[in-house]
Amino acid sequence: EIVLAQSPGTLSLSPGERATLSCRVSQSIAGSLLAWYQRKPGQAPRLLIYATSNRATGIPDRFTGSGSGTDFTLTISRLEPDDFAVYFCQHYGNSPPAFTFGGGTKVEIK
Amino acid sequence: QLQLEESGPGLVKPSETLSLICNVSGFSISNGFYWGWVRQSPEKGLEWIASVYHSGTTYYNPSLKSRVSISVDTPNNQISLRVNSLTAADTAIYYCARIPPYRAFDVWGQGAAVTVSS
Repeated sequence: EIVLAQSPGTLSLSPGERATLSCRVSQSIAGSLLAWYQRKPGQAPRLLIYATSNRATGIPDRFTGSGSGTDFTLTISRLEPDDFAVYFCQHYGNSPPAFTFGGGTKVEIK
Repeated sequence: QLQLEESGPGLVKPSETLSLICNVSGFSISNGFYWGWVRQSPEKGLEWIASVYHSGTTYYNPSLKSRVSISVDTPNNQISLRVNSLTAADTAIYYCARIPPYRAFDVWGQGAAVTVSS
C-alpha cells in the first residue's frame, strides 16, 4: 500500500512569499500519476496540478509542480491572499486501481 | 459546462444504509470517463471511496469494499453510492467527481454532508 506523507503540516507565510510543499511517497511512482489539489473551507477541492507538473485548466502559472520517484513538490511562487488554503497530493495506482491522498499541508497567513 | 451535484439524506442512523446520488449535467456519462466518490472528514482527511466507468466497471477502496456499492445510471446521467452498516466514522462530506484519463479528479460537486448519529 502506497502512503503519501506531506510536509510541513502547516506553513506560515506572508503574501508575496514563496511556498514550497512536499509530498513524499512510500515507494517510487511514475510521475504521470501524481496530482495536487487546493481545498478551502466550505468548498470542494480544486485540481491544481496533474501528472506531476501539468497545470489544470485555469490554474495560474504561480503554481508549479515538480518531482520524480518518491519526492514531489508543489511551489507557489508568490502567495496571493486567495492561496491560503489546505493543499493535498494524490496518487493513482493501477495494481489494483486505487487513489490515495496525502494528509495535507495548511498554508496560513503569518 | 460540466456540473455535478450530490444529494443525500443528511442524517442517518448507525447501522443503516446511506444512499447518495450525483446528478451530472452538461456532459453525458455515456461519452466515457471514470467517475468517483471521495469523502472528507477531519479524522481521515480526503479518502477515495469508489470509482465507476460508464460501462459499469467498478473499483473500490479495499478498506471500504465490503460495505460500499457504486453504480452508474446512464439514462438519468447519475452516479450512485450506497454505504451500509454505517458508524460514526462514516460522518463526512461526500463528493462525486470526474476522473479523466490522467487519473486525477478534475471536476467536483459541492459535496453532500452526511452525519451518522442516533
